[in-house]
Amino acid sequence: DAMVIQNPRYQVTQFGKPVTLSCSQTLNHNVMYWYQQKSSQAPKLLFHYYDKDFNNEADTPDNFQSRRPNTSFCFLDIRSPGLGDAAMYLCATSRGSDSYEQYFGPGTRLTVT
Amino acid sequence: GQNIDQPTEMTATEGAIVQINCTYQTSGFNGLFWYQQHAGEAPTFLSYNVLDGLEEKGRFSSFLSRSKGYSYLLLKELQMKDSASYLCAVTGGATNKLIFGTGTLLAVQP
Repeated sequence: DAMVIQNPRYQVTQFGKPVTLSCSQTLNHNVMYWYQQKSSQAPKLLFHYYDKDFNNEADTPDNFQSRRPNTSFCFLDIRSPGLGDAAMYLCATSRGSDSYEQYFGPGTRLTVT
Repeated sequence: GQNIDQPTEMTATEGAIVQINCTYQTSGFNGLFWYQQHAGEAPTFLSYNVLDGLEEKGRFSSFLSRSKGYSYLLLKELQMKDSASYLCAVTGGATNKLIFGTGTLLAVQP
């Protein structure tokens, strides 16, 4: 089945230790998104790629970076995680300008100790 | 600015009908989504409205009025498994960004 896959599902990292979260998709969608969702809050868009074009949200901290080496994979790098970065990180994809539905992966829950 | 409002919490009884409202003010509008999210899980797609009117899909229906900036999600024949957070989200502009409301936490009681 075509899907959006996130690994790992649960990630524990230490304060200040760089961590990378991964997302892959078999949908061959053009657009990939990263959202941060804290407890009882709405998902907040961090950035997205339209093909290779990177689009950063104005209020996304510099501590968060992203890479998309090919259509299928997208990575979220947190250079120096703080306690406030503990959250669920959701990856989503959409086909592009002709379809607006976004398909979400299962998420990675990040704990910072 | 962009603003999406929905009630924080609602409670309903198993077998009943519940309506979850959403109002929005956004700089652009391409469509409105409803997602269901169980605790600790990713959002799952429920419905998409781009034109005014009612879209029905099984026990779930969604209504949109673009002139009023208003939508609702109607859940019929409620089941215990429907206890979840329901997120209203609007997409608009060239970037296809989804702007989410904070979600409505629905508790279905026996």
